[in-house]
Amino acid sequence: SQKIEQNSEALNIQEGKTATLTCNYTNYSPAYLQWYRQDPGRGPVFLLLIRENEKEKRKERLKVTFDTTLKQSLFHITASQPADSATYLCAYSSGTYKYIFGTGTRLKVLA
Amino acid sequence: EPEVTQTPSHQVTQMGQEVILRCVPISNHLYFYWYRQILGQKVEFLVSFYNNEISEKSEIFDDQFSVERPDGSNFTLKIRSTKLEDSAMYFCASSESRQYTGELFFGEGSRLTVL
Repeated sequence: SQKIEQNSEALNIQEGKTATLTCNYTNYSPAYLQWYRQDPGRGPVFLLLIRENEKEKRKERLKVTFDTTLKQSLFHITASQPADSATYLCAYSSGTYKYIFGTGTRLKVLA
Repeated sequence: EPEVTQTPSHQVTQMGQEVILRCVPISNHLYFYWYRQILGQKVEFLVSFYNNEISEKSEIFDDQFSVERPDGSNFTLKIRSTKLEDSAMYFCASSESRQYTGELFFGEGSRLTVL
């Protein structure tokens, strides 16, 4: 069955460093991947989308890569700040009317 | 900025009772979704809705669940006879376009507690 996995449940990082989060998918080749941020007790908020023919996408301090050979997307936050502390979710559309979310990586940026 | 609104923010109910969760999607959006998130777990797809009918549903969305768009603005999720395991945060989402590039806009959620 189609699976999307974020293999780090939690990640602690020092302020100012680059945080790198991983999303792996199996048994499927999505044309697009999305990344969301979720704060405790709140709904996910869309951050970035990357298409399979795009190797990299940037938005301010955020960068997403998409490697269809490795079946993997990496999400980077450069110059991380304590305010970046949240859970980050990757998601893909299975080609129909639904989006499948990964389990999320809880990022904590230490001051 | 337009947003998805959900009511109630928190509902406590007794097992076996019916619950209706309400959502007002963003006004020009055409696709609507319900997701749930059990505490500490992943965001799980329940159902998608387009053109006044269910487009897709997950195995979680069994006969005790139903969705409706009773008027031009509201989108509701009904749980007919709640079980303890229905306790979760329920998120409504909407998108302007279908699949792939359609980013989902989520509401703040309705926390359901079944006693």
